[in-house]
Amino acid sequence: GAGVSQSPRYKVAKRGQDVALRCDPISGHVSLFWYQQALGQGPEFLTYFQNEAQLDKSGLPSDRFFAERPEGSVSTLKIQRTQQEDSAVYLCASGIRAGNTIYFGEGSWLTVV
Amino acid sequence: GDSVTQMEGPVTLSEEAFLTINCTYTATGYPSLFWYVQYPGEGLQLLLKATKADDKGSNKGFEATYRKETTSFHLEKGSVQVSDSAVYFCALSPPPNYGGATNKLIFGTGTLLAVQP
Repeated sequence: GAGVSQSPRYKVAKRGQDVALRCDPISGHVSLFWYQQALGQGPEFLTYFQNEAQLDKSGLPSDRFFAERPEGSVSTLKIQRTQQEDSAVYLCASGIRAGNTIYFGEGSWLTVV
Repeated sequence: GDSVTQMEGPVTLSEEAFLTINCTYTATGYPSLFWYVQYPGEGLQLLLKATKADDKGSNKGFEATYRKETTSFHLEKGSVQVSDSAVYFCALSPPPNYGGATNKLIFGTGTLLAVQP
């Protein structure tokens, strides 16, 4: 497809389990962002990549959260030892280059039980 | 730190009514301002934006004017339709020399709009 693709769309994890969320940005897009959206809230910034370089990870809530984009295209957000407070929608967005409009995927809904 | 405050919802209107969703911001320097819309079951979509004071963003009949003096970016539409029912998010992006990552967005909590026929 032409848009940002995220998988899985829905994930139920038991507390303590590790999860990996995948983002396929629009082809050729340099910028890639991850956001976390709790129920009833606006999205909150987690981290930003320009190509394969992670330029800003100031929004990652703890060292259990890790993101990578090794070849400058697909990105994975990994959450280790999931906790109930990690339950949220995780949004990925990409932009053709820094400073341009970014496009969001539909999100990965994570529920930790 | 930078923040966005928008009116709480839900906002319930009849078709063809006038819409205003208030948004105010706190930021250092001159941020860019955005309205995003999230239709049921879909991802966030950019609705409109403004990058400097007094700019007016517009799209699909929606408008918002960047007001530096009142630090506001209120969303308006003259005649809403049922298809406008969605959650609307106001957001800002700090200028690059203040906010770190370019295009890093700071969102409000969202306002649910329900338009009844």
